[in-house]
Amino acid sequence: GESVGLHLPTLSVQEGDNSIINCAYSNSASDYFIWYKQESGKGPQFIIDIRSNMDKRQGQRVTVLLNKTVKHLSLQIAATQPGDSAVYFCAENYSSGGYQKVTFGIGTKLQVIP
Amino acid sequence: KAGVTQTPRYLIKTRGQQVTLSCSPISGHRSVSWYQQTPGQGLQFLFEYFSETQRNKGNFPGRFSGRQFSNSRSEMNVSTLELGDSALYLCASSLIGDSGNTIYFGEGSWLTVV
Repeated sequence: GESVGLHLPTLSVQEGDNSIINCAYSNSASDYFIWYKQESGKGPQFIIDIRSNMDKRQGQRVTVLLNKTVKHLSLQIAATQPGDSAVYFCAENYSSGGYQKVTFGIGTKLQVIP
Repeated sequence: KAGVTQTPRYLIKTRGQQVTLSCSPISGHRSVSWYQQTPGQGLQFLFEYFSETQRNKGNFPGRFSGRQFSNSRSEMNVSTLELGDSALYLCASSLIGDSGNTIYFGEGSWLTVV
């Protein structure tokens, strides 16, 4: 997996509001996508995944939307809480003939305002 | 079951030294991959091992090496450390490392080179 080094975008959200974090992926042949949450000083934590044959998947307070036409992925967090403050990044997974490549987005920092 | 375990969590090394980091994957997971994470570059893929064989490799110099043991545990080694090697080194495991298999991360090993 590779990641392009850029300034980390920040999203500030009021506690209780919904958050939407976006991710543009690069490979139209990618067939599996994952969202991770990384809190300060910790490793990335799996949140939710979606396969390319789906366009929406819901978890507990989180929803992932996949738009393959424009190669866009979004993570929606309902009723955002202070504990949601972290860096969120997406991963796209491409595989072919036993070869697998995972590419990670640069991440978005979510700041929840109490 | 236990998650991905990495040791040591924190270490400080001097330029020119070498370091070995250890990773125990989730029980039953046979694919182990390593990533370097820095604020400026995000997640950079180092290499992936499956059944004791390096299956994929990122664009890092030969100073970075790894191996996997028969019990799927993995180690990575960095020789002749440079200041720029200071980073969070993350190990991740997945069931078989193919697309659709979620990658789970450990908490990482924080390496500081002085």
